[in-house]
Amino acid sequence: QVQLQESGPGLVKPSETLSLTCAVSGYSISSGYYWGWIRQPPGKGLEWIGNIYHSGSTYYNPSLKSRVTMSVDTSKNQFSLKLSSVTAADTAVYYCARTTVTTDWFDPWGQGTLVTVSS
Amino acid sequence: QSALTQPASVSGSPGQSITISCTGTSSDVGGYNYVSWYQQHPGKVPKIMIYDVSNRPSGVSNRFSGSKSGNTASLTISGLQAEDEADYYCSSYTSSSTLVVFGGGTKLTVL
Repeated sequence: QVQLQESGPGLVKPSETLSLTCAVSGYSISSGYYWGWIRQPPGKGLEWIGNIYHSGSTYYNPSLKSRVTMSVDTSKNQFSLKLSSVTAADTAVYYCARTTVTTDWFDPWGQGTLVTVSS
Repeated sequence: QSALTQPASVSGSPGQSITISCTGTSSDVGGYNYVSWYQQHPGKVPKIMIYDVSNRPSGVSNRFSGSKSGNTASLTISGLQAEDEADYYCSSYTSSSTLVVFGGGTKLTVL
């Protein structure tokens, strides 16, 4: 079955860049579907960050677009997220998930990784 | 403020049915059949329960059903069980540049 696993630093300093990777197993990213990032601040709701296709095509949330970069590495069957100039407001659990071109669903999800922005 | 509006909380007794609403606009919920619902237990990963308004993924109990009328989508849980107590989020594709929007979440309490 398809499984996703996020990895990356759990602590990032303010103004620095948050970098996360999502490793996919049980399915080849090159076979199709889109791949997305969603975050959830502690005690709050879900926020879509962006999607990427294996070709490298990306769609970003306009509210984060100026700070977000997503990339894909089909040879390693993984995709990545970079969020620059982070502040405490970026503290959240970051999830990666499989989705579609119309983003009508996210499934499955990775286990999520908590990233704290603090000096 | 979330793009889709959900009640903050709903409650019901075991065996009863409850409905959670998700209100958007004609640019999202009302304009497309791309509404999905997620269940999230405390400290756990969101799990898809309904996609494309009313479709149930394999393995999801048929006690969960989805529907839509105008700009409002609904998730109905029948025969409430203690294990249904969780947070529920709706999401929808949107024609705006945001692409997808989520509701603020609804906390379901099983009394």
